[in-house]
Amino acid sequence: GNSVTQMEGPVTLSEEAFLTINCTYTATGYPSLFWYVQYPGEGLQLLLKATKADDKGSNKGFEATYRKETTSFHLEKGSVQVSDSAVYFCALSVNDYKLSFGAGTTVTVRA
Amino acid sequence: GAGVSQTPSNKVTEKGKYVELRCDPISGHTALYWYRQSLGQGPEFLIYFQGTGAADDSGLPNDRFFAVRPEGSVSTLKIQRTERGDSAVYLCASSLRAGRRTDTQYFGPGTRLTVL
Repeated sequence: GNSVTQMEGPVTLSEEAFLTINCTYTATGYPSLFWYVQYPGEGLQLLLKATKADDKGSNKGFEATYRKETTSFHLEKGSVQVSDSAVYFCALSVNDYKLSFGAGTTVTVRA
Repeated sequence: GAGVSQTPSNKVTEKGKYVELRCDPISGHTALYWYRQSLGQGPEFLIYFQGTGAADDSGLPNDRFFAVRPEGSVSTLKIQRTERGDSAVYLCASSLRAGRRTDTQYFGPGTRLTVL
């Protein structure tokens, strides 16, 4: 089946620290990969995506590279801000409509 | 423009009751999705509509759950004989089309269902 395993949280960082959230996947086909973010009190929103191997998705200073050889899509940001505090979800889709999500990683950034 | 809206935002009901959850997708989006998010988990797929028809309902947990989209826009998720295990946040999403890797799913704020 299709599944996503992401780094367990919670993660607590100081402002300007480097953030990495690991995500690995298992898929029966050739998936598209996504990172969604849920800010406090808000709905899920797409942060970035990659649709083929070696693609890099980027947005708001976050990056993730689709690594087919390691079945990974790790999320990184070089210098986090308090406003990056949120729950981050890694997800995949093999049929381009059904998203399969990881359990989510809660990130808290302290000033 | 307006995003995906869901009503009610919160619903508290008693075990055994019937509930309806409504989703208004982004105007012009032909694909609509329902997901369920239990506490501490990621969303799980329930059903997907392309237009008026349910193209994939494989995620519906049992026959107490049913969803409709009669005019290809608004959708209603219906749960009969609710159980305490149905308590979760029910999320709706829409996209311009389905089956295209370039199309993004836009999520609504969710309906928090609590079954007492």
